[in-house]
Amino acid sequence: DAGVTQSPTHLIKTRGQQVTLRCSPKSGHDTVSWYQQALGQGPQFIFQYYEEEERQRGNFPDRFSGHQFPNYSSELNVNALLLGDSALYLCASSLVGGSNTGELFFGEGSRLTVL
Amino acid sequence: QQQVKQSPQSLIVQKGGISIINCAYENTAFDYFPWYQQFPGKGPALLIAIRPDVSEKKEGRFTISFNKSAKQFSLHIMDSQPGDSATYFCAASNAAAGNKLTFGGGTRVLVKP
Repeated sequence: DAGVTQSPTHLIKTRGQQVTLRCSPKSGHDTVSWYQQALGQGPQFIFQYYEEEERQRGNFPDRFSGHQFPNYSSELNVNALLLGDSALYLCASSLVGGSNTGELFFGEGSRLTVL
Repeated sequence: QQQVKQSPQSLIVQKGGISIINCAYENTAFDYFPWYQQFPGKGPALLIAIRPDVSEKKEGRFTISFNKSAKQFSLHIMDSQPGDSATYFCAASNAAAGNKLTFGGGTRVLVKP
């Protein structure tokens, strides 16, 4: 049973560039959430996708956008990168209405460095 | 505004000792309280979770204690092992609000052999 997979694992960008991160949820899961984890801090919620729509959004600017595909996989896009966007980006999947409502499974993340 | 406050930021415990991490929350609508374990370079992994209808939950060496009136919950790691050395995060969510997790700031635990 494949868990949550993310790509790429590491990437380096320069200020002003754009980046796309990808996530495949755990088998059987239909909801994908994205979190940003700065060094030494707890993850911060970016947004959640369910049924190919953004259902919830955290306190992040519009430079952060996403997409969910019919196979439940998801992308996170960040435009006009800033130095402060350097972080570990985590994807988490869950099952809406599952018996363990609230249980999220995280991938190993994509480490983004902005120079 | 940080809605989940976690302490201490770090702790050192001898092998076989007890590690205790505390969290306090503000939002009384939270109804799910998980703890995650994170090793360097890895994503957080769900360790144990509790809902507010019980005051304690134990899974192996890990126990969550929950105090609804005080809006506090804690993680106890019994018989701590060097392999438990990791960063631990408490979190909270509300099913009615879509299960968005609000995390504490994390506690770095070092278990000395």
